[in-house]
Amino acid sequence: QKEVEQNSGPLSVPEGAIASLNCTYSDRVSQSFFWYRQYSGKSPELIMSIYSNGDKEDGRFTAQLNKASQYVSLLIRDSQPSDSATYLCALTTGSNYKLTFGKGTLLTVNP
Amino acid sequence: EAQVTQNPRYLITVTGKKLTVTCSQNMNHEYMSWYRQDPGLGLRQIYYSMNVEVTDKGDVPEGYKVSRKEKRNFPLILESPSPNQTSLYFCASSSGGWQPQHFGDGTRLSIL
Repeated sequence: QKEVEQNSGPLSVPEGAIASLNCTYSDRVSQSFFWYRQYSGKSPELIMSIYSNGDKEDGRFTAQLNKASQYVSLLIRDSQPSDSATYLCALTTGSNYKLTFGKGTLLTVNP
Repeated sequence: EAQVTQNPRYLITVTGKKLTVTCSQNMNHEYMSWYRQDPGLGLRQIYYSMNVEVTDKGDVPEGYKVSRKEKRNFPLILESPSPNQTSLYFCASSSGGWQPQHFGDGTRLSIL
């Protein structure tokens, strides 16, 4: 099993809808979980970080973590065309806190 | 302004000609790392450093060297670049390994 798997996409939603992005991981002792947004040709930009089970909300974004199911998700409410980007799930594992990325999900929000 | 600065942003060079990509951060971060991003392969860690004089290999270290003589700087060295090192490179830093990493703007390397 790959270390970090994301729904392959691409994902297309209409403006104003909820976009749901999912990620599963294989290492049970993963410590920190992040969602990054990356526009084409640009650097990854941190959207959310989450460290414990449950939900964490920041504006239109909600991250959900379930360590028992080894699952982390990102919900984007009231999606805007400017949210169109690739979303990267990332997590740290091990004593060296190695950061491993999923391959990303391309989200398109249609006006 | 808190930032991670990489130079150069773009470079076209030839096989075998040594090059260095510089990375500097002004946030007093202890943890720094280098990644390469390739289509279909995603972001892969090349090297990381947990503090000054402490560096270690990531997933794809072959053909690269790094050094961490000062806290703020973490250069990536390609001693003898080859075409398979053509890629988009990112430097990142964080206050600790478990904290989110902040990325530089990237360096696009083309090796002919």
